[in-house]
Amino acid sequence: SQTIHQWPATLVQPVGSPLSLECTVEGTSNPNLYWYRQAAGRGLQLLFYSVGIGQISSEVPQNLSASRPQDRQFILSSKKLLLSDSGFYLCAWSLWSQGAEAFFGQGTRLTVV
Amino acid sequence: AQKITQTQPGMFVQEKEAVTLDCTYDTSDPSYGLFWYKQPSSGEMIFLIYQGSYDQQNATEGRYSLNFQKARKSANLVISASQLGDSAMYFCAMREANTGNQFYFGTGTSLTVIP
Repeated sequence: SQTIHQWPATLVQPVGSPLSLECTVEGTSNPNLYWYRQAAGRGLQLLFYSVGIGQISSEVPQNLSASRPQDRQFILSSKKLLLSDSGFYLCAWSLWSQGAEAFFGQGTRLTVV
Repeated sequence: AQKITQTQPGMFVQEKEAVTLDCTYDTSDPSYGLFWYKQPSSGEMIFLIYQGSYDQQNATEGRYSLNFQKARKSANLVISASQLGDSAMYFCAMREANTGNQFYFGTGTSLTVIP
């Protein structure tokens, strides 16, 4: 069966520090991968998605970047965090078909102080 | 324009009653999929139900059903016999065939089940 792992679960980082959130998927090949951010009490904002190794599409210009060094690994990074980067970050994967649902990781609560 | 609109920020329902959560969508693609997710306070996103644009019948999954009205571009989630554990945020999402890699999410509806 397929599983998705996302870590860390919580993170408190000072302003200006770097960020690296990692997400890995098991049990499937060539998944679509996504990073979403959710502000407190708000909806999901798509940050990045990837359809293959090294292929990253950015939805929102921001202080963040994403990389996909391996087929089932997706990394969200920042060189210098801003206060506004605080939020709940969710990684997800899906198959390509329009009828395929997205499966989400447990999420990372990031607080920038 | 918003792809997915959820106009109910918060809803209350009595335990054991049914509740309908509204979702409207906007697309010109004739082929698309609609999804509902539940997000409890723990933050995890739980897939509930799926409706394809060409499906003739409304989708059902246990106590969840989807009231799909294609001409109105609405895909409302109906939860029957509400339980206390149904208290959570609910998100409607859409995936289009011609932009099949992206999921568009609504802003969500917070459902509170009252004992």
